[in-house]
Amino acid sequence: ETGVTQTPRHLVMGMTNKKSLKCEQHLGHNAMYWYKQSAKKPLELMFVYNFKEQTENNSVPSRFSPECPNSSHLFLHLHTLQPEDSALYLCASTPEPLVGEKLFFGSGTQLSVL
Amino acid sequence: GIQVEQSPPDLILQEGANSTLRCNFSDSVNNLQWFHQNPWGQLINLFYIPSGTKQNGRLSATTVATERYSLLYISSSQTTDSGVYFCAFKAAGNKLTFGGGTRVLVKP
Repeated sequence: ETGVTQTPRHLVMGMTNKKSLKCEQHLGHNAMYWYKQSAKKPLELMFVYNFKEQTENNSVPSRFSPECPNSSHLFLHLHTLQPEDSALYLCASTPEPLVGEKLFFGSGTQLSVL
Repeated sequence: GIQVEQSPPDLILQEGANSTLRCNFSDSVNNLQWFHQNPWGQLINLFYIPSGTKQNGRLSATTVATERYSLLYISSSQTTDSGVYFCAFKAAGNKLTFGGGTRVLVKP
């Protein structure tokens, strides 16, 4: 148990569906992240939030829409995804945005887009 | 750009064996971490080690910043050590970049 909880654990969706991934951290951290892990590729940073404000967007397509209502919760809204978006989506947190701090990851959501 | 290379890509061990995993990085280190991803996808932070040596049970890590590499040692390996080991490196002013991982299988 890392203190970062992600739901759902698995998600299958069609290309026309809209779904949301949820992440909650119980560590009192101020920074939260979304990462994408595709087969045979290194983890890719998607978004960074610091104190609820988005501080980084690594050229992520607009069909991925993050939301951070408070420092403990992070969502990733998905719509009109493509099959190549199938991957493990990981949420992580740190006390502050990567200033010499360890990342704490959730268990991830395994997403399959049909 | 920033590069992080891990070796070997795959490692098969007999239970009880020792092993060394390597992470080479391309710039001066600001942040370096080692992670273990279990077969169910959970990533656990093993070490935050931008320099020096740390030990945690059967695992230890050493980063030689001047030579731009870090090593993760697994001693007396157990089947629960199976999974993928990632190093992640950050240079000043850059984002944390993950290596491609070393896939470890420990056989009973």
